Amino acid sequence: QVQLVQSGAEVKKPGASVKVSCKASGYTFTGYYMHWVRQAPGQGLEWMGRINPNSGGTNYAQKFQGRVTMTRDTSISTAYMELSRLRSDDTAVYYCARDLFKGFGSSQGLGYWGQGTLVTVSS
Amino acid sequence: QSVLTQPPSASGTPGQRVTISCSGSSSNIGSNYVYWYQQLPGTAPKLLIYRNNQRPSGVPDRFSGSKSGTSASLAISGLRSEDEADYYCAAWDDSLSGPIFGGGTKLTVL
Repeated sequence: QVQLVQSGAEVKKPGASVKVSCKASGYTFTGYYMHWVRQAPGQGLEWMGRINPNSGGTNYAQKFQGRVTMTRDTSISTAYMELSRLRSDDTAVYYCARDLFKGFGSSQGLGYWGQGTLVTVSS
Repeated sequence: QSVLTQPPSASGTPGQRVTISCSGSSSNIGSNYVYWYQQLPGTAPKLLIYRNNQRPSGVPDRFSGSKSGTSASLAISGLRSEDEADYYCAAWDDSLSGPIFGGGTKLTVL
């Protein structure tokens, strides 16, 4: 069965960077887009971007351009999301989520989600 | 402020049918598929509806989706206490070149 297991909670100071990992199992890692979505406390969902694990190609939401970097290590079926220059309003739960269907055309829904990683930014 | 507009709350009694609306524009709902997610308290979201009205394997047929023009709706029939959750609509936005979410609707089962 498809599983996405994320790294543990992080506490960071303003201005620092955080790198969250997402280890995939139960499917062909290189066959599906991996997305990153965040949710601030008590707030809604916000798409940050996606990575094509096959090519390494990325698409980032304009809001995060220049601050976010998504990478992957195909040898261990793991995707990473690094966010730099952290601010207090980056405090949120960060989720990785896999496309429902195989392939790299238009995304067709986020069918599988990781358990989430709480990132707290505080001085 | 979300690009897709949902009512912040909805409610119903067990067995009732409730609908949740989602309003967008020509650059998102008007030209792309709509998706619906359910988020139970303290858990990750779960895909309920894809491509406007399709249910992933395992999602009960009590949940149904529809789309017309630049609006969409999620209907839940035979409401159950375990349906109490936050519901989010989503669609690809051509202007933003990425998916956008509605602000979410908190469903309360009275």
